[in-house]
Amino acid sequence: DTGVSQNPRHKITKRGQNVTFRCDPISEHNRLYWYRQTLGQGPEFLTYFQNEAQLEKSRLLSDRFSAERPKGSFSTLEIQRTEQGDSAMYLCASSLGALAGRIDTQYFGPGTRLTVL
Amino acid sequence: QQQVKQSPQSLIVQKGGISIINCAYENTAFDYFPWYQQFPGKGPALLIAIRPDVSEKKEGRFTISFNKSAKQFSLHIMDSQPGDSATYFCAAPGGWGETSGSRLTFGEGTQLTVNP
Repeated sequence: DTGVSQNPRHKITKRGQNVTFRCDPISEHNRLYWYRQTLGQGPEFLTYFQNEAQLEKSRLLSDRFSAERPKGSFSTLEIQRTEQGDSAMYLCASSLGALAGRIDTQYFGPGTRLTVL
Repeated sequence: QQQVKQSPQSLIVQKGGISIINCAYENTAFDYFPWYQQFPGKGPALLIAIRPDVSEKKEGRFTISFNKSAKQFSLHIMDSQPGDSATYFCAAPGGWGETSGSRLTFGEGTQLTVNP
């Protein structure tokens, strides 16, 4: 399967600890997105990369959150000093990019479920 | 900023029935509207998407109807099956200008249950 992969699938941590998640997009996809989803809600946009450049960040992305995509391939999302309110599913998506006349579909990974105790 | 309002919040239909989920958007800067299907513990999976230059798109049992003047679009699931039981999300690109590839703003979701 050459879809979007995310690791780990589950992470349990204590409040105040740092956590890091990894996303491997579909190969050749130059756009990568991070979303957060809480129970019973739709995914909420966090940030977006075009190759290695971080082009957009949501107000949801506080200064405790940092995302990187160093070589324009995989991406990491780090949360420092986790809080109980950070408990959520963190979803990664990738897309090929906008080409004339074509819908730029975002394909999602299975997510990393974070539980902060 | 794009706002997307989805209804109903939950829907129960009998096997073989038609499921209809509605979405309304505010912003007019868009180039497509996708619907995603999500099963528990999984990431959302693209179900079907429509461009604003067409009023309807059908793929198998799934149809999107688009009403540009009303700023609404809906998902119809014909011959609903128990395997269709999932949460469905509509979405819209949230940016201006080059909206393709920008953030998606999702609706609140509709939990569909199809009874056998």
